[in-house]
Amino acid sequence: NAGVTQTPKFQVLKTGQSMTLQCAQDMNHEYMSWYRQDPGMGLRLIHYSVGAGITDQGEVPNGYNVSRSTTEDFPLRLLSAAPSQTSVYFCASSGQYTEAFFGQGTRLTVV
Amino acid sequence: AQSVSQHNHHVILSEAASLELGCNYSYGGTVNLFWYVQYPGQHLQLLLKYFSGDPLVKGIKGFEAEFIKSKFSFNLRKPSVQWSDTAEYFCAADRGSTLGRLYFGRGTQLTVWP
Repeated sequence: NAGVTQTPKFQVLKTGQSMTLQCAQDMNHEYMSWYRQDPGMGLRLIHYSVGAGITDQGEVPNGYNVSRSTTEDFPLRLLSAAPSQTSVYFCASSGQYTEAFFGQGTRLTVV
Repeated sequence: AQSVSQHNHHVILSEAASLELGCNYSYGGTVNLFWYVQYPGQHLQLLLKYFSGDPLVKGIKGFEAEFIKSKFSFNLRKPSVQWSDTAEYFCAADRGSTLGRLYFGRGTQLTVWP
């Protein structure tokens, strides 16, 4: 049982480049979310989804885009990378009345 | 605005000392509460959770937490810490009306000296 799988683990981008962080879960969870973790800030919600075809913004959505075409997948797109998006990104999934399960994280550096 | 507050940014203890990490949330109504731990370079792992029922919740590795509704608190405790407990600890909450949308505290770094 893989749980939540994120790729890539590490990425370096140049300012202005775009990329997609992949996230897949195999637990048939309805809810999926993306967070960014910055030192001293905890984890902040970027976008989340309550089911296929339904997404909503979190606390820090600017510069990011999501879609959810299937229950399993929830990719996060950076439209035009900026140094302020240097962070560690975590994807999570949860079911009704379960805790959130987190992926291994993606460490992104924008130069 | 931060909806979940953790009182301690960095806690340093010796092995066998007792631990209590504070967590407060600012919602009314139904709330689900969690403590997660993050070891260096790793992802978040669940320590314990509260959805309803007994307000004293026991988790893994000897941790427990008490939900006190009147104080909007969910403090984490461990009677005797070990060097291997060195990690960052996060309190998190989601509201019963917005399941799957977690709000995190800023985290507490725990350092345990052998």
